[in-house]
Amino acid sequence: DIQMTQSPASLSASLGETVSIECLASEGISNDLAWYQQKSGKSPQLLIYAASRLQDGVPSRFSGSGSGTRYSLKISGMQPEDEADYFCQQSYKYLYTFGAGTKLELK
Amino acid sequence: QVQLQQSGAELVKPGSSVKISCKASGYTFTSYDMHWIKQQPGNGLEWIGWIYPGNGNTKYNQKFNGKATLTADKSSSTAYMQLSSLTSEDSAVYFCARDTMGITPYYFDYWGQGVMVTVSS
Repeated sequence: DIQMTQSPASLSASLGETVSIECLASEGISNDLAWYQQKSGKSPQLLIYAASRLQDGVPSRFSGSGSGTRYSLKISGMQPEDEADYFCQQSYKYLYTFGAGTKLELK
Repeated sequence: QVQLQQSGAELVKPGSSVKISCKASGYTFTSYDMHWIKQQPGNGLEWIGWIYPGNGNTKYNQKFNGKATLTADKSSSTAYMQLSSLTSEDSAVYFCARDTMGITPYYFDYWGQGVMVTVSS
């Protein structure tokens, strides 16, 4: 199975601050990576797929980048509604695996 | 609009089985894989398997072979997951989620609200 190591486990950001979350795959995943946002008590929501494609309806302050084994999610200008858990997920190889998550809080 | 409406919370006894549902609307049910995903507090998200309602084909995470059984009813646009021989390790929230399909498959673009299954005597 491909292991997805996500960092940091938690972080705190001020309003308007730029935030980055990283995911490291245990082998190359050829940009087959998604990012999800999960607010407290809610279902996950797809933000980014294929490493850098923004899902319809997602604010443009969210962006994804990376290649090979290293990928990142950037939030350009933290907003109160961005307080949530964030997960990466690889779709390169069955079985599809997720990172452990990053808890993002507003400072 | 696409919606996935899951059944309600379940409190079940160890050793029993439970069947949870996911009713789809707003799209062609038979044209998209439906995935099931487990979430335990502190344990993140775990992919269980998918079913293609068009022909009933399934694929499972080996860890859930014998534990989860996926089915679908085309007439009611409803996907089901049955969990058997339940233990405390099966206590979790279970989500159904639609596959993105197309040229960028195996992502999950719409999710149900989740079903909390609690296994307790």
